[in-house]
Amino acid sequence: QKEVEQDPGPLSVPEGAIVSLNCTYSNSAFQYFMWYRQYSRKGPELLMYTYSSGNKEDGRFTAQVDKSSKYISLFIRDSQPSDSATYLCAMSAVLSTGGTSYGKLTFGQGTILTVHP
Amino acid sequence: SQTIHQWPATLVQPVGSPLSLECTVEGTSNPNLYWYRQAAGRGLQLLFYSVGIGQISSEVPQNLSASRPQDRQFILSSKKLLLSDSGFYLCAWSADQGQPQHFGDGTRLSIL
Repeated sequence: QKEVEQDPGPLSVPEGAIVSLNCTYSNSAFQYFMWYRQYSRKGPELLMYTYSSGNKEDGRFTAQVDKSSKYISLFIRDSQPSDSATYLCAMSAVLSTGGTSYGKLTFGQGTILTVHP
Repeated sequence: SQTIHQWPATLVQPVGSPLSLECTVEGTSNPNLYWYRQAAGRGLQLLFYSVGIGQISSEVPQNLSASRPQDRQFILSSKKLLLSDSGFYLCAWSADQGQPQHFGDGTRLSIL
């Protein structure tokens, strides 16, 4: 079983629709929960992050974390064609190796979203 | 504000040639730095991370190496490239362990 599971889609919606993207995870040591947006041939862009259960809103985007169910979601309201991209969930944990601590991100596989006019 | 720069954006190299990809971060001190590879249709694979100058750790054994000669400079190298080294290489930084990472725009490397 993968530590982070994300439905790869693809997901195609009409402009203005509400989009729901989801990830489940199995590692209780994860501390931060993130959503990245990646356009073609670009690096992932950090959209939102949170470290506690509950909702966090930023404009049209809402990130939701449920630690008891090990489930996170990203909602996009009033979706636009410019939202068409791959969305990656990611979770971080602090690991120690040979006396060095570092933050390790574990990514979902990414969901390809297309918003058509 | 903090920014991260990677170059070159695209690189085509013959098998057996050397490699040097550079990444620099501006607007922060003592960042944690990371190199990832993203293969088509697959997730991001962590290659190297660094918590300070000269401190490099590797996640997986491979044909590549990394160096951090300055606080905000991270270099990915190879002495002899293999076909399997093709991919999209991403540099990232974070303010501290476990905190969200911020990515550069990547280098698309093709080996012929």
